Amino acid sequence: GENVEQHPSTLSVQEGDSAVIKCTYSDSASNYFPWYKQELGKRPQLIIDIRSNVGEKKDQRIAVTLNKTAKHFSLHITETQPEDSAVYFCAASFSGGYNKLIFGAGTRLAVHP
Amino acid sequence: NAGVTQTPKFQVLKTGQSMTLQCAQDMNHNSMYWYRQDPGMGLRLIYYSASEGTTDKGEVPNGYNVSRLNKREFSLRLESAAPSQTSVYFCASSDGNQPQHFGDGTRLSIL
Repeated sequence: GENVEQHPSTLSVQEGDSAVIKCTYSDSASNYFPWYKQELGKRPQLIIDIRSNVGEKKDQRIAVTLNKTAKHFSLHITETQPEDSAVYFCAASFSGGYNKLIFGAGTRLAVHP
Repeated sequence: NAGVTQTPKFQVLKTGQSMTLQCAQDMNHNSMYWYRQDPGMGLRLIYYSASEGTTDKGEVPNGYNVSRLNKREFSLRLESAAPSQTSVYFCASSDGNQPQHFGDGTRLSIL
């Protein structure tokens, strides 16, 4: 069945460093790839998304890259701050639509002052 | 504008009891979803409703039923709760090819 693998499961960086989280997906029909941030005890919140007709998208300190041939996409956070500490989830649509998402298992990011 | 509202926020059940989790959205979205979140496993889709009057199974539908009561409301029912259904349940909604917006979750414990 469809699957999304996310690495690493935990990531610890110093404030100001960059953080990179990588995901691979199995469904070649996937065409939508959102990233969610979830703080402890809170709801997941969208931070950035990318569609299959785009290779890269950037929003201030956050960027996402997509390689459809290799079926992987990555989240890049530059100049990390303590408030970036959270669990980050990648997801991929499956069955060619936008309605159904398969989520990765999450990456717990800790940014140390 | 409340977005996606879930009730209750917390619930403790005994094995075999039944319960309905409620979800309502005020964004006029066509699509609604139910997920469960277990430690270390991310979010898994239980059921979704692409539009009013339709529902479809997701990854983990066994042990659950859903009702799309109208465009605003999408409920999740556990007919006979089992300890394996202890989880945090999130409802979400979206429209067309736009991102999904999540509610605050229901923390459900089954003893």
